[in-house]
Amino acid sequence: EDKVVQSPLSLVVHEGDTVTLNCSYEVTNFRSLLWYKQEKKAPTFLFMLTSSGIEKKSGRLSSILDKKELFSILNITATQTGDSAVYLCAVEVRGSQGNLIFGKGTKLSVKP
Amino acid sequence: GAVVSQHPSWVICKSGTSVKIECRSLDFQATTMFWYRQFPKQSLMLMATSNEGSKATYEQGVEKDKFLINHASLTLSTLTVTSAHPEDSSFYICSARDFGQLINSPLHFGNGTRLTVT
Repeated sequence: EDKVVQSPLSLVVHEGDTVTLNCSYEVTNFRSLLWYKQEKKAPTFLFMLTSSGIEKKSGRLSSILDKKELFSILNITATQTGDSAVYLCAVEVRGSQGNLIFGKGTKLSVKP
Repeated sequence: GAVVSQHPSWVICKSGTSVKIECRSLDFQATTMFWYRQFPKQSLMLMATSNEGSKATYEQGVEKDKFLINHASLTLSTLTVTSAHPEDSSFYICSARDFGQLINSPLHFGNGTRLTVT
């Protein structure tokens, strides 16, 4: 059975800290891995990763994929209270119609 | 970027009634849309795949007669929760991908519908 596992499930840090969120997966016919940020409503897209070792960066956020070890990390540097959210990792499988398999998410709380 | 609009954002209904949720792709055409459900403190779970012009594909354990899906056009899919019960209370989110833009374009999500059945 295809699955996506995120860790930790929750994390509390202070502003300015750097955090690393983990995502491991076991799927047949991997196509891509995506990170989303979910606040009170629907997830907003952060990154899509398809190739190993290529870091994607957007401001203070960055992510990288390791297809050999089947995991990805999402880094957030100099965290701010606005980074507080649930971060979702999802995997798309080849041959599917494009739906995603989601992990349970990591709830990040950034304290002032 | 691709925008997916979902309506209503929240709804409260009485047990036994039906509720319709609309999902629209605003600036692209979507032959396929996905309906997810999210219970509190759980992740998003795919309920069904909506296909324009053909029947929806339901995930195991999702009752197709209870969750009616209609993909009437290339920009609109609807999910109707029939004879709703309190256990159907959840956060329903639709999503779609703009295949016309990039080969590897991501799924974009609507803002979700919070359904509460009393």
